[in-house]
Amino acid sequence: DTAVSQTPKYLVTQMGNDKSIKCEQNLGHDTMYWYKQDSKKFLKIMFSYNNKELIINETVPNRFSPKSPDKAHLNLHINSLELGDSAVYFCASSPFRSSGGSEQYFGPGTRLTVT
Amino acid sequence: KNQVEQSPQSLIILEGKNCTLQCNYTVSPFSNLRWYKQDTGRGPVSLTIMTFSENTKSNGRYTATLDADTKQSSLHITASQLSDSASYICVVSPILTGGGNKLTFGTGTQLKVEL
Repeated sequence: DTAVSQTPKYLVTQMGNDKSIKCEQNLGHDTMYWYKQDSKKFLKIMFSYNNKELIINETVPNRFSPKSPDKAHLNLHINSLELGDSAVYFCASSPFRSSGGSEQYFGPGTRLTVT
Repeated sequence: KNQVEQSPQSLIILEGKNCTLQCNYTVSPFSNLRWYKQDTGRGPVSLTIMTFSENTKSNGRYTATLDADTKQSSLHITASQLSDSASYICVVSPILTGGGNKLTFGTGTQLKVEL
């Protein structure tokens, strides 16, 4: 069983389009995250939700909007896609929201290519 | 300047050899330091987690050390195998007011193990 799953795995689209990436975790975790990994392989957090409540919102363009319908799902919608949005987007989940030793489990990633 | 710096950026070793990867960080105060392994095309997977009071933690052939005084950590891999070829990422979990599990990622060391 896949613990954290993302769809699609690959996404190729043109500039200006709107697209969504979906994430689901079956670990029973309360907290979920979206990360962006750029071409230099550097991972940076974008958003974090705890039990459907937004708790971390980094400096991300308004074109990115996360949605958490329930604590097992965290989707990422991107409006008016730009070339610079091309990256690998990872979803992750953890049991707790605290900054303690809460382990994070990552999904397989979604490679977004904007042409 | 990134708060978590890793060296070397890339490394090639022969199968069966040992190697040590370095991590220097400025994140303070921090709750724990983690090492992740990221295979190509996959999400990061946790290898070790150390609290600020721990000096060493092992996971099979992987041994991580932490010196909180000098703000340095290392990951030692013994008897390397071809499957160790991956990116190794040092991650520091800062203590945040109000909670939140916001990890600070290093730039990674790309390890290649050859025959």
